[in-house]
Amino acid sequence: DTGVSQDPRHKITKRGQNVTFRCDPISEHNRLYWYRQTLGQGPEFLTYFQNEAQLEKSRLLSDRFSAERPKGSFSTLEIQRTEQGDSAMYLCASSSPGVRETQYFGPGTRLLVL
Amino acid sequence: SQKIEQNSEALNIQEGKTATLTCNYTNYSPAYLQWYRQDPGRGPVFLLLIRENEKEKRKERLKVTFDTTLKQSLFHITASQPADSATYLCAPDDGNKLVFGAGTILRVKS
Repeated sequence: DTGVSQDPRHKITKRGQNVTFRCDPISEHNRLYWYRQTLGQGPEFLTYFQNEAQLEKSRLLSDRFSAERPKGSFSTLEIQRTEQGDSAMYLCASSSPGVRETQYFGPGTRLLVL
Repeated sequence: SQKIEQNSEALNIQEGKTATLTCNYTNYSPAYLQWYRQDPGRGPVFLLLIRENEKEKRKERLKVTFDTTLKQSLFHITASQPADSATYLCAPDDGNKLVFGAGTILRVKS
């Protein structure tokens, strides 16, 4: 399978703990996006990278959230001091240089903060 | 800020009929608009993209229209099948990112 992969698929943590998610985009896709989705809502943009450069972050993104894409391939999203309101599905997507508008999504990481 | 509105209630239709889903947007002018399908517990899957200078786009049983004057897109599925049951998301662009509506749940009954 050469689609976008995300790990882990599910994560349960206690409030106050740190969590890290990984996303592996489709090979040769230079853009990578992170979204968050809560029940009954559409995905909400968090941040995106072009190669290793983080070019945009949502103004709604708390400073407890940080994302990296150190070698322009996989990306990690870390949430520090998790809160119950962080419980959501975290989606990663990637797009190619040729057709950057179309984003291909991974299966998501479902986070539950107790 | 941008606002995307999709049919808030689920759409229930009979197999073989045409399903029509609506997407309205306000407070900006997207260069293109996409429609995605999402099944429970899974990531969205790209279906169609239509640009601001295109009125209509088709792909097999799918058709999308884009009216920049009305600020509206319509998404049609003809000859619907139970396998088409899913949530359909409208996503106009906002520069380098997509802004998603909450989605419309479509249920096709046999």
